[in-house]
Amino acid sequence: GAVVSQHPSRVICKSGTSVKIECRSLDFQATTMFWYRQFPKQSLMLMATSNEGSKATYEQGVEKDKFLINHASLTLSTLTVTSAHPEDSSFYICSARDAESGRDTQYFGPGTRLTVL
Amino acid sequence: ILNVEQSPQSLHVQEGDSTNFTCSFPSSNFYALHWYRWETAKSPEALFVMTLNGDEKKKGRISATLNTKEGYSYLYIKGSQPEDSATYLCASHTNAGKSTFGDGTTLTVKP
Repeated sequence: GAVVSQHPSRVICKSGTSVKIECRSLDFQATTMFWYRQFPKQSLMLMATSNEGSKATYEQGVEKDKFLINHASLTLSTLTVTSAHPEDSSFYICSARDAESGRDTQYFGPGTRLTVL
Repeated sequence: ILNVEQSPQSLHVQEGDSTNFTCSFPSSNFYALHWYRWETAKSPEALFVMTLNGDEKKKGRISATLNTKEGYSYLYIKGSQPEDSATYLCASHTNAGKSTFGDGTTLTVKP
């Protein structure tokens, strides 16, 4: 099946710093990528939909200036958590849509565990 | 149903038992229902994509059914094995392109 990589897998940073997370589709082109956040014991919460070459679409309640998303190529989307605070500590996971797989199957990256001290 | 709901939240079974769990979703604007299997420290893996009312899909010992009119899908595992232990997520996709995930059912199969 299609492979999506995510880097880094784990990051610890100080409060006030910015952290960039990369999501790559390795063997297919993804015009659309999704960014999710998972709170403890809860499901995946969609943060934003990232479309190649255009601005991301953010879900209600997600600050676009706080979570910067860039989808510069068909295989790479990045999420930058700006001026991170402890409440931003979470598990962030991306997925890429392979439109050729039928009914827009999403392939997930392994996720990034962010801890803000 | 306004959200995607999965039940039970967790399930413990003995090796060899058959089990099933439920995903309920809004039936309006339905486009597709996806089942994912998510093992600890790995990426969620797509199991099934279901679109038509009455759909039944099967992969080995795992199968799923879909009822789009009443808004539910069942996932069945026959003869559970320890390697089936994982969280099973369902996600409902609308024809507007919006996907909503359930909270998952965490299955533990004891040897």
